[in-house]
Amino acid sequence: NAGVTQTPKFQVLKTGQSMTLQCAQDMNHNSMYWYRQDPGMGLRLIYYSASEGTTDKGEVPNGYNVSRLNKREFSLRLESAAPSQTSVYFCASSLAPQISDTQYFGPGTRLTVL
Amino acid sequence: DAKTTQPTSMDCAEGRAANLPCNHSTISGNEYVYWYRQIHSQGPQYIIHGLKNNETNEMASLIITEDRKSSTLILPHATLRDTAVYYCIVRVGGSRLTFGEGTQLTVNP
Repeated sequence: NAGVTQTPKFQVLKTGQSMTLQCAQDMNHNSMYWYRQDPGMGLRLIYYSASEGTTDKGEVPNGYNVSRLNKREFSLRLESAAPSQTSVYFCASSLAPQISDTQYFGPGTRLTVL
Repeated sequence: DAKTTQPTSMDCAEGRAANLPCNHSTISGNEYVYWYRQIHSQGPQYIIHGLKNNETNEMASLIITEDRKSSTLILPHATLRDTAVYYCIVRVGGSRLTFGEGTQLTVNP
């Protein structure tokens, strides 16, 4: 199993450009998550999908949209990138949003917005 | 979710046990204690979690005090590859992991 995969690994955008970050998991997990991590800080939840067909806002959703394409894939879209969105983006998945579920993380996408 | 307090940094000699403390004095009865780590620039890695009893797996041991107000993560034989930021997280529900600043563990040769 590859676990959680993310593409691309690196991306540089100009202010105002749009892009989609892709995430896929092969563990048959129901729940998926998008986090961002700014330098020297902990992770902050952007959006999550408790199950296929549902999405909910996390702590910092402004400027982002998500799509749960199917059970395996959960994408994050920046419609008009801003320098404040320069960050490392991590996708995660878990079997179910239960009290003791464990989240597994992908390797991250390093995004720079100029 | 309960707030946690961890030391900013710790050092450990290679081959020795690394004991990482975490205070969570406001923990509720149904909140679990989770530990994750993040090796430089990589995605966070799950280590272990527990509710009341001590837990052990192939990576580490988790010791939770009887009053559940604090816990200790133990890496029994630390290696250089265990150098990372370690996060103690207390949570209920499944939708949110709240990462604080964690403890930077440096394993020295």
